[in-house]
Amino acid sequence: GAGVSQSPSNKVTEKGKDVELRCDPISGHTALYWYRQSLGQGLEFLIYFQGNSAPDKSGLPSDRFSAERTGGSVSTLTIQRTQQEDSAVYLCASSRTSGGGYQETQYFGPGTRLLVL
Amino acid sequence: DQQVKQNSPSLSVQEGRISILNCDYTNSMFDYFLWYKKYPAEGPTFLISISSIKDKNEDGRFTVFLNKSAKHLSLHIVPSQPGDSAVYFCAAGPSGGYNKLIFGAGTRLAVHP
Repeated sequence: GAGVSQSPSNKVTEKGKDVELRCDPISGHTALYWYRQSLGQGLEFLIYFQGNSAPDKSGLPSDRFSAERTGGSVSTLTIQRTQQEDSAVYLCASSRTSGGGYQETQYFGPGTRLLVL
Repeated sequence: DQQVKQNSPSLSVQEGRISILNCDYTNSMFDYFLWYKKYPAEGPTFLISISSIKDKNEDGRFTVFLNKSAKHLSLHIVPSQPGDSAVYFCAAGPSGGYNKLIFGAGTRLAVHP
């Protein structure tokens, strides 16, 4: 079956512009996560969606970052007024329903490489 | 404050030998640990996991060891193969609640013939 897909695969933008990154999770997965990986760093948690529950936005680095998930499936991560430090690989992952005292494996997409000039 | 640390950014191993990748964590609330493998231009893929009720989990050539008292885990690959060359990320999280994983910075493994 299809895995997690992300688009675009690469994005170059000018400082101050807004960008939208898209994630299509695996069908049937109710949990969706956004991470970013800056150069030489590990994966940094950004935001988590679980079904119809309020998302956990605790990892978003500033109010320029926002994300939504429509219909419990596709998610869009929006970065407004991009800055050079936003340059990173943005990774999306999905998993089956989590909770219940155990962890579900997260499946990652290939990422979107964002470069802010 | 890095809660999950992979202190070796790179490791080079000869084909057929054992590769040992290390990971340390600081948060005693973590009780579920995973290793992910990442090839260039691809997303990380799940490799192996271990919960805190165990000290060892084995899957083929891959074994993860957990030392809770030392807050240390390691991934052993034996025998190492050239196709194992990738970046390996250690991740940790609490059981219960949801899967908010904390990742280390990764270790780049190179397996040479």
